[in-house]
Amino acid sequence: EVQVLDSGGDLVQPGGSLRLSCTVSGFIFSNTAMTWVRQAPGKGLEWVSTITARGATFYADSVKGRFTISRDNSKITLYLQMSSLRPEDTAVYYCAKPSGQNLQYYFEFWGQGTLVTVSS
Amino acid sequence: DIQMTQSPSTLSASVGDRVTITCRASQSIGSWLAWYQQKPGKSPNVLIYKASTLESGVPSRFSGSGSGTEFTLTISSLQPDDFATYYCQQYNTYVYTFGQGTKLEMK
Repeated sequence: EVQVLDSGGDLVQPGGSLRLSCTVSGFIFSNTAMTWVRQAPGKGLEWVSTITARGATFYADSVKGRFTISRDNSKITLYLQMSSLRPEDTAVYYCAKPSGQNLQYYFEFWGQGTLVTVSS
Repeated sequence: DIQMTQSPSTLSASVGDRVTITCRASQSIGSWLAWYQQKPGKSPNVLIYKASTLESGVPSRFSGSGSGTEFTLTISSLQPDDFATYYCQQYNTYVYTFGQGTKLEMK
């Protein structure tokens, strides 16, 4: 059974930093791309970032240069390092395991979400 | 980026109704479209991928159709568990984009 567990959300001041983590089980993590998707309160879903199995990274324009996605295959953990946080980054952040090939991914398995609040 | 537009934004319906949600892409995406259901406080769940393929375990009352720029999600006979918000997502390009959502509420 595939399981995705995201964590690390917190209240942080504007301009601050935070690192989210995502641990998984039930599949071979090192062979799989992973993704972060976020949802602002009362709003829709927004793709944030994807990292391929080989470590290639992709970002939404809204977070490029501020967020860094990474993975530690030995710890079976995905990370999202967020810096220069803005109030508009306030959202529930979901870690998701995509399905598909060649970056044509839909998101088959999702974590429960972790809340990041950016406020003074 | 490819823009995804869903209609309607809100849909009021009754148990047993047949309902259809439409999703339009700003440019052709082939069949690279997924549909998700999300209930309040929960993660999204994929219902359909590649426009019309039913995800394992999803009831057969859900179906998807379309290609290019216009897609539909149909629920053939609405059940109480189906009242939720539905999102489409294109994955033709890696800048993945979602529709704004359709809230399906009880009439």
